[in-house]
Amino acid sequence: EIVLTQSPGTLSLSPGESATLSCRASQTVSSVFLAWYQQKPGQAPRLLIYGGSSRATGIPDRFSGSASGTDFTLTISRLEPEDFAVYFCQQYVSSVWTFGRGTRVEIK
Amino acid sequence: QVQLQESGPGLVKPSQTLSLTCSVSGDSITRGGFYWDWIRQHPGKGLEWIGYFSSTAGTYYNPSLRSRVAISVDTSMNQFSLRLTSVTAADTAVYFCARNHIGAAGSFGYWGQGAHVTVSS
Repeated sequence: EIVLTQSPGTLSLSPGESATLSCRASQTVSSVFLAWYQQKPGQAPRLLIYGGSSRATGIPDRFSGSASGTDFTLTISRLEPEDFAVYFCQQYVSSVWTFGRGTRVEIK
Repeated sequence: QVQLQESGPGLVKPSQTLSLTCSVSGDSITRGGFYWDWIRQHPGKGLEWIGYFSSTAGTYYNPSLRSRVAISVDTSMNQFSLRLTSVTAADTAVYFCARNHIGAAGSFGYWGQGAHVTVSS
């Protein structure tokens, strides 16, 4: 099973700042099979990025995904108030699809 | 607009069977190339993929749950269901049904709102 390790656990930032969230895979994962989700309290996760860098329908362009080897990054430029939430990465390359434990982006 | 809605008991006794149904509107669960999934989230924790049904790929389950889980479909009602046997307190979670994003088989582009299930006597 591929383990995804997200860091940091919590990111404290102010609106307008940029956020850089990391996700490291325990084995090689093609970026084609990496997704990012946003989850707010009491809600289902929302798909932000699939295929490593493709934004899902309706996702603003301040959200971007990138990859380097087994390291994946979600960047949120110019944080808006509605962006403060928990973010999960997920891989779907192996036979068992797994998620990271999440990074909480909170208001500083 | 694809919409999914989970339904089922919110309380299940230990050793019994958890049963949930996902009702789908705006799409057909028999449409080829799509994956209809169950995912759960333990209280305050991360997400665990349970398994999927696909009209083209069949059913597939997370090996960690394979001995206890089954996903079935009712094409006439456009629903798919989850059965999890011999539940324990460790199965207490929010259970989501989901469908993949088009073109990305293992990503989850559409979600239900989630069903809270507590395992307790």
